[in-house]
Amino acid sequence: DGGITQSPKYLFRKEGQNVTLSCEQNLNHDAMYWYRQDPGQGLRLIYYSQIVNDFQKGDIAEGYSVSREKKESFPLTVTSAQKNPTAFYLCASGTGHTDTQYFGPGTRLTVL
Amino acid sequence: KNEVEQSPQNLTAQEGEFITINCSYSVGISALHWLQQHPGGGIVSLFMLSSGKKKHGRLIATINIQEKHSSLHITASHPRDSAVYICAAVSGSRLTFGEGTQLTVNP
Repeated sequence: DGGITQSPKYLFRKEGQNVTLSCEQNLNHDAMYWYRQDPGQGLRLIYYSQIVNDFQKGDIAEGYSVSREKKESFPLTVTSAQKNPTAFYLCASGTGHTDTQYFGPGTRLTVL
Repeated sequence: KNEVEQSPQNLTAQEGEFITINCSYSVGISALHWLQQHPGGGIVSLFMLSSGKKKHGRLIATINIQEKHSSLHITASHPRDSAVYICAAVSGSRLTFGEGTQLTVNP
């Protein structure tokens, strides 16, 4: 089946550790996105990539890093520099900003 | 003030009721998305529209570009419609999301 997957669904890490969240899509989409969702707030864009080997910062990129070595994959690393990493992280893919985005199931990260 | 505002924040209805969720935005947009997020967190795209009205089953979305306002209507609501509904405005190359409306439909 075509779709977008994220793993793991729940992730626990100790403060100060880097952690990488996986996002894979087999929809042949050029564009991929990472969002963060916090209670009472709308989704906020962390990073996005419109083509392989290229990516741009979103609104809240500080403390995060990404790579886009393959069209299918867009992993997000939450570094120890991110001051409030506990959140729900959503990955999405699409054919462009103005078109429908397809969301993954999300990863809930808790930093202890 | 958020660029995209939704109302109400929370909405409780009885099965069968007609439901309206509103979205207002303050930026110029090229399109607007309506999304549905279920309790597990997964998000599904319901509509993308740039003018007029779209209908899919019991869901209807309208947009008035001049008034910078969009509405999502659910006819004959059902408990399975219980979810968070999110509008997102497309401006330039970015999406700006509203905070969401939590809808609970009781049997």
